[in-house]
Amino acid sequence: DVKVTQSSRYLVKRTGEKVFLECVQDMDHENMFWYRQDPGLGLRLIYFSYDVKMKEKGDIPEGYSVSREKKERFSLILESASTNQTSMYLCASFSLTGAAEAFFGQGTRLTVV
Amino acid sequence: KQEVTQIPAALSVPEGENLVLNCSFTDSAIYNLQWFRQDPGKGLTSLLLIQSSQREQTSGRLNASLDKSSGRSTLYIAASQPGDSATYLCAVFYAGNMLTFGGGTRLMVKP
Repeated sequence: DVKVTQSSRYLVKRTGEKVFLECVQDMDHENMFWYRQDPGLGLRLIYFSYDVKMKEKGDIPEGYSVSREKKERFSLILESASTNQTSMYLCASFSLTGAAEAFFGQGTRLTVV
Repeated sequence: KQEVTQIPAALSVPEGENLVLNCSFTDSAIYNLQWFRQDPGKGLTSLLLIQSSQREQTSGRLNASLDKSSGRSTLYIAASQPGDSATYLCAVFYAGNMLTFGGGTRLMVKP
């Protein structure tokens, strides 16, 4: 059974903290994505990566960075968490070989207080 | 830039009705299109994937169609049930390894 696993289901952090959200996939996919989802705004792309050590900015990269040191792991980093980063964060992976189907993790509900 | 639109944004129907959810996209040069379901507070679950060379896919009571030339896809749900209540999202894969989502349709099926 294919899987995308996000390290935390719920997370509460304080303003100014450095926050790491981890995503691991076991499908050998080249492409991995981080989205945030907010009511009324839908899914917005933060960053994506199409290969190890490669990263591209999405639509809303400000306040975030990413790391992809290994193919299976894509980390989202909030350098200094702020209350406006309270959101649901979703990780996805897919490969353009084969069926090119995207798979999502279960989501991380981050609250910054 | 690819834009994906879903209509309606919300839909409420009585149990047993057949219904159609719509998805449109601006750039027809897509690799494929995928429909997802999302329950409140949860991640996205894949429902159907339609390759760019295909016209439709079926899974149980769900049927998705794709018309690349007109930039449209529809998700047909037959004999709706309260358990179908969720948000339905469509996503298109296109050049540059990009994955773009529509805003979703929030479906409520009333018993």
